Amino acid sequence: GAVVSQHPSRVICKSGTSVKIECRSLDFQATTMFWYRQFPKKSLMLMATSNEGSKATYEQGVEKDKFLINHASLTLSTLTVTSAHPEDSSFYICSARDRSALTYGYTFGSGTRLTVV
Amino acid sequence: AQSVTQLGSHVSVSEGALVLLRCNYSSSVPPYLFWYVQYPNQGLQLLLKYTSAATLVKGINGFEAEFKKSETSFHLTKPSAHMSDAAEYFCAVSGNSGGGADGLTFGKGTHLIIQP
Repeated sequence: GAVVSQHPSRVICKSGTSVKIECRSLDFQATTMFWYRQFPKKSLMLMATSNEGSKATYEQGVEKDKFLINHASLTLSTLTVTSAHPEDSSFYICSARDRSALTYGYTFGSGTRLTVV
Repeated sequence: AQSVTQLGSHVSVSEGALVLLRCNYSSSVPPYLFWYVQYPNQGLQLLLKYTSAATLVKGINGFEAEFKKSETSFHLTKPSAHMSDAAEYFCAVSGNSGGGADGLTFGKGTHLIIQP
């Protein structure tokens, strides 16, 4: 079945630094990937939609200059949290949309726990 | 625009008892509906999905859900709970019936507790 690999699974960084999170579709091509943020004991909130070869579409209230998204190939999207602050600490999860309309599948990565100290 | 309401942030059942997790949705277009399970510090695993075919959908691990348009519901059930079912469950909706690129809108989740 479709597999999405997300790396790293955990990262701790100092306030003011930047962190990059990778999301790869391993056995299918994903023209569209999605980035979600999950606060403790809360639901997932869609942050942005990442489109291969074009600019990401951000949800209302998400700072595009803080959360940089690049989707350079059909199998890789990256989320860079720039100038991280403690309030950016969260669980970030990516999802890739299988191009096959028959399956209409969204496959999720295993998530990245970001802690900013 | 779509939204999802999951009734009950916590549901507790005894091992072997029926599991019922409730989900109601709103969508301006015919919806695609999903149930996911999440274990601590992990991503989401798809349990089942409704994509406008059969209204009774069977998923993995003995779970199933029934799409009821008149009630705008998509409740998740399992006849007999196992201890391993203890986890967080999310109902989600995608409003793009054309197979496009909409992200999912999630409910707030239901924490399922299994009592021995």
